Amino acid sequence: AQTVTQSQPEMSVQEAETVTLSCTYDTSESDYYLFWYKQPPSRQMILVIRQEAYKQQNATENRFSVNFQKAAKSFSLKISDSQLGDAAMYFCAYLTQGGSEKLVFGKGTKLTVNP
Amino acid sequence: NAGVTQTPKFQVLKTGQSMTLQCAQDMNHNSMYWYRQDPGMGLRLIYYSASEGTTDKGEVPNGYNVSRLNKREFSLRLESAAPSQTSVYFCASRDRGLPTNEKLFFGSGTQLSVL
Repeated sequence: AQTVTQSQPEMSVQEAETVTLSCTYDTSESDYYLFWYKQPPSRQMILVIRQEAYKQQNATENRFSVNFQKAAKSFSLKISDSQLGDAAMYFCAYLTQGGSEKLVFGKGTKLTVNP
Repeated sequence: NAGVTQTPKFQVLKTGQSMTLQCAQDMNHNSMYWYRQDPGMGLRLIYYSASEGTTDKGEVPNGYNVSRLNKREFSLRLESAAPSQTSVYFCASRDRGLPTNEKLFFGSGTQLSVL
């Protein structure tokens, strides 16, 4: 069974600094998607970034980038120039491909941004 | 587009009562999901449906049943509610189109309390 592990329950960063959130996963599949979602206090789930496993190039979205290490089964999120609005819960997620469509999440990391 | 609509937003049950959480999406998505979110536990997959007429168990299916009534609707039923089922429940749907169109949409959540 696929599992997603986020080893940092809480992280904090100073405004304008850079922070990296960790995620590892366990799978025997070769084709899958990985995601980072942000959940502010409003409970809305917001897609931050996604990575296709077959792509070697790391995904980037403005201030957000990932370090995808397929062999190590690691998928970390780097937030550059942190802003107060980045404060939220961040969830790493894994999606199987090939018809199963099973989508599982990690337990989340609470990010605090200090002014 | 309304996206993913969940009803009700809040519900209080007594132990042993039954209820159905409704979820509907108007985006013609094939895949739909039910999650529960508890503090410190992240999002845990209850059931999912890869297409109309099919459903599969997720990580925590015990005590729940689901129905994929049609492509739009995916309901979650608690036959005999227990205090351990107190949680926030999220429905989600996913577009299984081109990888570049990969998107996951969440409903706004249902806060359920079982007394």
